[in-house]
Amino acid sequence: QKEVEQNSGPLSVPEGAIASLNCTYSDRGSQSFFWYRQYSGKSPELIMFIYSNGDKEDGRFTAQLNKASQYVSLLIRDSQPSDSATYLCAVSGLSGGSYIPTFGRGTSLIVHP
Amino acid sequence: GAVVSQHPSWVICKSGTSVKIECRSLDFQATTMFWYRQFPKQSLMLMATSNEGSKATYEQGVEKDKFLINHASLTLSTLTVTSAHPEDSSFYICSAREQLNTEAFFGQGTRLTVV
Repeated sequence: QKEVEQNSGPLSVPEGAIASLNCTYSDRGSQSFFWYRQYSGKSPELIMFIYSNGDKEDGRFTAQLNKASQYVSLLIRDSQPSDSATYLCAVSGLSGGSYIPTFGRGTSLIVHP
Repeated sequence: GAVVSQHPSWVICKSGTSVKIECRSLDFQATTMFWYRQFPKQSLMLMATSNEGSKATYEQGVEKDKFLINHASLTLSTLTVTSAHPEDSSFYICSAREQLNTEAFFGQGTRLTVV
């Protein structure tokens, strides 16, 4: 059974700091990796996706993928109180002929002023 | 990002009645749609995967006769909760993607309360 592990947190960082969110996955055949943000009472919102080893940057967000270590992370630079949310890691790969994303349980991030 | 619209945003229904939730991809053709349920402070639970023109694939433990899923077109999938009971009260969320192994976009979610 495919597993995606995230520290539930909460991760508390001061405003302006870098928040580092981590995710590990069990299926070596995984090919696509996604980060979603979910505010309380709302549905998840896609932040970033990454397919290749290395870093991918988009504004204040950087996704890092290391397939050898089965590890994907999300860095948030210059964290703002509005970044306070639960961050979901999702991993997808061919399984039984379909690509069904497996979600972690999420890491709660709190950015305090 | 792409837009997925889910309707209604919230619904209250009486026990024993059925409720239909719609999920539409507004600016892309969704070959696959997913339906999730989420209880307060818990993680997403995948209920079923729906591919256009074929029967939905339900996850273990999800009653297919209770949660009817129809994916009749590339832009619309519906979830019908039949004979709803209070324990079915939850946050139901759909997501849709255009191609295999690409990013999926979520609808706004539907908060169902069964009284």
